[in-house]
Amino acid sequence: NAGVTQTPKFRVLKTGQSMTLLCAQDMNHEYMYWYRQDPGMGLRLIHYSVGEGTTAKGEVPDGYNVSRLKKQNFLLGLESAAPSQTSVYFCASATEGGLTQYFGPGTRLLVL
Amino acid sequence: AQSVSQHNHHVILSEAASLELGCNYSYGGTVNLFWYVQYPGQHLQLLLKYFSGDPLVKGIKGFEAEFIKSKFSFNLRKPSVQWSATAEYFCAISVAGGTSYGKLTFGQGTILTVHP
Repeated sequence: NAGVTQTPKFRVLKTGQSMTLLCAQDMNHEYMYWYRQDPGMGLRLIHYSVGEGTTAKGEVPDGYNVSRLKKQNFLLGLESAAPSQTSVYFCASATEGGLTQYFGPGTRLLVL
Repeated sequence: AQSVSQHNHHVILSEAASLELGCNYSYGGTVNLFWYVQYPGQHLQLLLKYFSGDPLVKGIKGFEAEFIKSKFSFNLRKPSVQWSATAEYFCAISVAGGTSYGKLTFGQGTILTVHP
């Protein structure tokens, strides 16, 4: 099992560009989450999904959109990137109930 | 809304020293508690978790944590640390109950540096 994988590992964007981060899990988990990690702030929840076709906002959703068209994939989109979105993005998945989350390796994003 | 506070931003120890990392949370109801570790360049790994029962929880790699409900604390301990414990440690909580969907609230993180 690969667990939770994220694509790409690293990306540089210019302000205003768009991109999509892909998270994939092969554990048949119902719940998936997107977090961002910034120095001195820990991880903050951006969006989450409790099943295929469902999404919900987390703590810091502004500037991001998500989709969960397939159970195993959770996409995070930036429509118009801003320097404030420079961060490390982590995806996680969990069984129903979300009691134990398994994290991916992260995507490092730099917005110039 | 709930919050988590880790008061120590950076802890520096020598090998074989004992470790205690503080974690306090703010929430009026029942929570689930977690400690995660992030080794340099790697993703987060679960060290231990507490849902209910014995407030002294043992996790992987010889770590343990004690939940003190009256103090809203969940401190992480290890009797003797090695250089390989150098990492960033995160305390996190989720609100107990089905409608929270396991959403985690993290503390700011504590960077642990262990000198050989």
